[in-house]
Amino acid sequence: KQEVTQIPAALSVPEGENLVLNCSFTDSAIYNLQWFRQDPGKGLTSLLLIQSSQREQTSGRLNASLDKSSGRSTLYIAASQPGDSATYLCAVLTGANNLFFGTGTRLTVIP
Amino acid sequence: DTAVSQTPKYLVTQMGNDKSIKCEQNLGHDTMYWYKQDSKKFLKIMFSYNNKELIINETVPNRFSPKSPDKAHLNLHINSLELGDSAVYFCASSHRTETQYFGPGTRLLVL
Repeated sequence: KQEVTQIPAALSVPEGENLVLNCSFTDSAIYNLQWFRQDPGKGLTSLLLIQSSQREQTSGRLNASLDKSSGRSTLYIAASQPGDSATYLCAVLTGANNLFFGTGTRLTVIP
Repeated sequence: DTAVSQTPKYLVTQMGNDKSIKCEQNLGHDTMYWYKQDSKKFLKIMFSYNNKELIINETVPNRFSPKSPDKAHLNLHINSLELGDSAVYFCASSHRTETQYFGPGTRLLVL
């Protein structure tokens, strides 16, 4: 059974700092891995999708990496801003077209 | 122009009632989903559905049933509501295994 874990559960950083969020999954048989952002009381916004054959994806200040064999992914945020404050969720897509979500990392960027 | 929309946004009801949540997507996607986010903010797949196949998470009680009148809609019907059904329910859609787009969520409170 697929299990997805995110560390840390919460993170506070001063504005401008670079940071890394971690995600690990137990079953490497995945189609892709996605990183989402969720603001309080809102839905999810897709940030990056990495196919199982890819190693990384970049979008602006965000860079996500994937090491499928070891069951790990990282989301790197450069030059953090207060507007980056949100909960970040990683999710892996399995053969049944189901998305298994991690527990989330709640990020606070302090001005 | 909202890509994935859900109604209602909030739903407060008594135990034992039957209720429905509607979901519509205007992205032309072939697959739609329902997720439940519990009080600890953990997101879990309930159903995934395309025009050929309904996949049900084995942990979902049979009081929950998805109904799709057409490719753009996947409604969630819940019979005999229980206190434990209180949660936020998210609808999502995708083209096959590509990025999933989420609706804003429906906050259900069962009294």
